[in-house]
Amino acid sequence: SQQGEEDPQALSIQEGENATMNCSYKTSINNLQWYRQNSGRGLVHLILIRSNEREKHSGRLRVTLDTSKKSSSLLITASRAADTASYFCATGLTGTASKLTFGTGTRLQVTL
Amino acid sequence: DAGITQSPRYKITETGRQVTLMCHQTWSHSYMFWYRQDLGHGLRLIYYSAAADITDKGEVPDGYVVSRSKTENFPLTLESATRSQTSVYFCASRPVSRESYEQYFGPGTRLTVT
Repeated sequence: SQQGEEDPQALSIQEGENATMNCSYKTSINNLQWYRQNSGRGLVHLILIRSNEREKHSGRLRVTLDTSKKSSSLLITASRAADTASYFCATGLTGTASKLTFGTGTRLQVTL
Repeated sequence: DAGITQSPRYKITETGRQVTLMCHQTWSHSYMFWYRQDLGHGLRLIYYSAAADITDKGEVPDGYVVSRSKTENFPLTLESATRSQTSVYFCASRPVSRESYEQYFGPGTRLTVT
């Protein structure tokens, strides 16, 4: 069964708007990561947040983590057409931090 | 070239044939992983390796075999391909580090089993 589930499955916004996608997971984690996948390409790491952190920023990205609710959110501010991609959360479980379990992804479409 | 590469990028094979997907990384990362990506399932871990000669099963290992005789290579073999193994396969690697658990992905191999 999937550890991470993203919501929504698909999101369409206009350039300049903010995009928020959410991830829920089931068991205790060591860290949670977000990856981006452009069509037909491999995944690219965006940001990592550890289980003892609540919020992290990287450029236009903001990630939050609520371990009590077992959920995370990824906010992309001032979206650009180049942000069009699928976004995946991945959890590293406590005790097995070498492996990641990926969710099913959110497909983001940013239109001009 | 530095990085992580996969070959072939595209492969069509027939049911019952053996096929090997290659993965090569130039960073000397200890950890290497094989995933498959299917619509509705996201990425699922097939096998992973913590170092040369150390491999372990992931979530969906049945029908696959891996080996790791050298740190830089991690081939994935489908011993007798089935249509359900039609998928996009991604290899990834990461260094041993308590500071970063980021994985680096290859470009993928699109495999079709007819």
